[in-house]
Amino acid sequence: AQKVTQAQTEISVVEKEDVTLDCVYETRDTTYYLFWYKQPPSGELVFLIRRNSFDEQNEISGRYSWNFQKSTSSFNFTITASQVVDSAVYFCALGFSPLNKAAGNKLTFGGGTRVLVKP
Amino acid sequence: DGGITQSPKYLFRKEGQNVTLSCEQNLNHDAMYWYRQDPGQGLRLIYYSQIVNDFQKGDIAEGYSVSREKKESFPLTVTSAQKNPTAFYLCASSTQVNVWNEQFFGPGTRLTVL
Repeated sequence: AQKVTQAQTEISVVEKEDVTLDCVYETRDTTYYLFWYKQPPSGELVFLIRRNSFDEQNEISGRYSWNFQKSTSSFNFTITASQVVDSAVYFCALGFSPLNKAAGNKLTFGGGTRVLVKP
Repeated sequence: DGGITQSPKYLFRKEGQNVTLSCEQNLNHDAMYWYRQDPGQGLRLIYYSQIVNDFQKGDIAEGYSVSREKKESFPLTVTSAQKNPTAFYLCASSTQVNVWNEQFFGPGTRLTVL
């Protein structure tokens, strides 16, 4: 069975501080995908990044960066120099291998981490 | 603009009534999904459909039903058998089942049972 754990339920920071969100996953598949989504107060989930299990390179996109470590089954997300607009709930999600046709594009979500950035 | 629409945004239901949540997409995506989100929790998969006229149960399908008669539409019915239906419901879609792509989400419907 697949499982995603986001141990931090809520993080509060002051604007311009860095914040790191932890994500630990469990899967028996050797090929899988990991995702991060942002859920602002409006409720709609916004896609941030997709990473496949063969690509362990870290990725940076503006103030966002991701650290994928297969050895520890972790896919952590860092917001550098946080801004008030970063306040949202962030979800990490795990997808089945594309070879698992029966599973389709199903995702297993973590419980989410609420980030509150204070001015 | 392409996207996913869900209606209504807020829905109130009396106990014992069935209610149908609408989800429409104009992204030409093959796959569609319904998730349920409870306060302070993650998303749980209710049903998903990989192709028209076909759908599968997710992790929490009991008390729900769906249909997929058209590619762009995937309505969800919350039946009276669902014991605790008050939640936020999110619809999503993705392209090509056998090629990994992200799911795109609609704005959600907040259902409250009175």
